[in-house]
Amino acid sequence: SQQGEEDPQALSIQEGENATMNCSYKTSINNLQWYRQNSGRGLVHLILIRSNEREKHSGRLRVTLDTSKKSSSLLITASRAADTASYFCVHSGGSNYKLTFGKGTLLTVNP
Amino acid sequence: GAVVSQHPSRVICKSGTSVKIECRSLDFQATTMFWYRQFPKQSLMLMATSNEGSKATYEQGVEKDKFLINHASLTLSTLTVTSAHPEDSSFYICSARSGARMNTEAFFGQGTRLTVV
Repeated sequence: SQQGEEDPQALSIQEGENATMNCSYKTSINNLQWYRQNSGRGLVHLILIRSNEREKHSGRLRVTLDTSKKSSSLLITASRAADTASYFCVHSGGSNYKLTFGKGTLLTVNP
Repeated sequence: GAVVSQHPSRVICKSGTSVKIECRSLDFQATTMFWYRQFPKQSLMLMATSNEGSKATYEQGVEKDKFLINHASLTLSTLTVTSAHPEDSSFYICSARSGARMNTEAFFGQGTRLTVV
């Protein structure tokens, strides 16, 4: 399977703490994106990082990419209860830019 | 950002019937569309990739005769679940990409929750 791995599979923290999620993939990529999904709902795009980039910031989000290790991390700072959701890394590769989802991390932020 | 509309958002059907799900790109030409399936508490699994005007490419293990994909225009792709069974109950979601913007954010539909009774 080309599906990436994410760890941890589940993460429970207190409001105000930082949350770090990691993702690994197996193939070469064009870019890597992080999405959020609230239970049973659609996907919300968070951030995209291209294969020639190493770090990107967007508000409380910080994403890193290490193509030599085929891994990425998502850091959410000063977490809020509303950040409770599943987070997926999605890598895009090949001529079709096919999107492959990681297994996801279920983040629970306790108020 | 670009908008992808998926319809219906929720459908309940009887076992043995067929269900059609539509995925439309509202403000761009989608040269490629991807269809995903998500079972409860699991990730999204790619079912097939379709390029406008050509046959869809199915992932290993996905029955092409059961999950019919049509991508006849640059703004519309359909997924038809034929002779649906309870095990086909799942969350189906499409993604549309433009040929000129493939290395950018992917746009997803809102998803369709299919329940087969």
